This record gives sequence, C-alpha cells and structure tokens, in this order.
Amino acid sequence: NAGVTQTPKFRVLKTGQSMTLLCAQDMNHEYMYWYRQDPGMGLRLIHYSVGEGTTAKGEVPDGYNVSRLKKQNFLLGLESAAPSQTSVYFCASSFGGPQHFGDGTRLSIL
Amino acid sequence: RKEVEQDPGPFNVPEGATVAFNCTYSNSASQSFFWYRQDCRKEPKLLMSVYSSGNEDGRFTAQLNRASQYISLLIRDSKLSDSATYLCVVNRPGANNLFFGTGTRLTVIP
Repeated sequence: NAGVTQTPKFRVLKTGQSMTLLCAQDMNHEYMYWYRQDPGMGLRLIHYSVGEGTTAKGEVPDGYNVSRLKKQNFLLGLESAAPSQTSVYFCASSFGGPQHFGDGTRLSIL
Repeated sequence: RKEVEQDPGPFNVPEGATVAFNCTYSNSASQSFFWYRQDCRKEPKLLMSVYSSGNEDGRFTAQLNRASQYISLLIRDSKLSDSATYLCVVNRPGANNLFFGTGTRLTVIP
C-alpha cells in the first residue's frame, strides 16, 4: 500500500524556472492538500482540494498554482520560482479527518 | 494570535522518564484534535486523535480541556525511539483543514 507518493524527492531550480510537483494517493481520499514547512514556521497550507476538479487557496497561496484533474492526483506548480520558495513541500490526503502525508519534496531555489 | 500554540522545547529527558507537552488553540469552535509525530527530515505521522473524555494508547495519554482550549500529551516510560518533534493539530471549524502547531522537540537521553 503506497499511501501518498510525492515526486520528485529533491530538486534544485534557478530563479525564474518553473516546475510541477506531483502528489498521488491510492486511498480514494476526497481531500488533498499541499503544505510547505520552513524552520520555525511549522506547516503552512498552500492550496487544497475537496474533490476532483476543485481547488481552493490556503494560508500562503501566492506564487503557486494547483490542479486536481483526477481524484488520485494533486499537482503543485511554481510558474516562476523565487528563492523564498526554497522549502520542504508536503502533500497530504484525507477523508476529512486526520491527514496522511507523503514523504516530502525538498526544493531549493538558487 | 496563532491558531495553535506550543512550547517549542527542547525537552531533554532521561530514558524511563515521564514527560508532558501542552498546547492551546484559539478557536473554541474546533471539534477535532490530534497529535502528530515528526522525525527529523521526515513527514508528520499521526500519533493519536484526542477525544473529549481523554484517551490512552499504550504509553501515550492525550487529554482535552475544552473550557481552557487546552490539549496535552503525556508520555510515560520514555524510550530513545520517542525522540522526535510532536505536533499539536486542530481542525479549522467549517472546513476540512487542519492547523498545525510548530511542534515541541523531545530528546530522550540514554
């Protein structure tokens, strides 16, 4: 049982480059989330989705876009990466209660 | 005011000790409460849910005080493997989102 899978695990980008982080879950969860975690800041919600075809802004959505074309996948896009987006990104999914996390993507923007 | 506040620690305790963590939350309408555990450079993992009447899972006991908006986690007979950061988590009322505390770091010393 894979649970929540994130790809890639690590990435280094140059300022201004774009990329997409992929999150896949095999638990048939309705809800999916993208967080970033920075030292001393805890987990902060970027965007989330309450079902296929829906997305909503979280606490820190600026500079990111998301899509949920299929129930099992939730994509996080950075259109023009900035050094302030250097962080660890976690995807999570749930039925509405406790959330299950992927093992994270470590992203560095130079 | 932060939605969830925790003492960041660190708590350094000897093996076999009992240690307690506290957490306060700001929104009295929150209904769901959890403790997560996060190991260094890993994803958060659900440790236990917190129920109104208090609940126990082996060496771990969680309690909720709604009047004071206060959650606690007690760990008895600490093990080296308990060393981690413990995150207090509270739901956002009216939405399927969670607020995560910044965590309390525990180190169990041989």
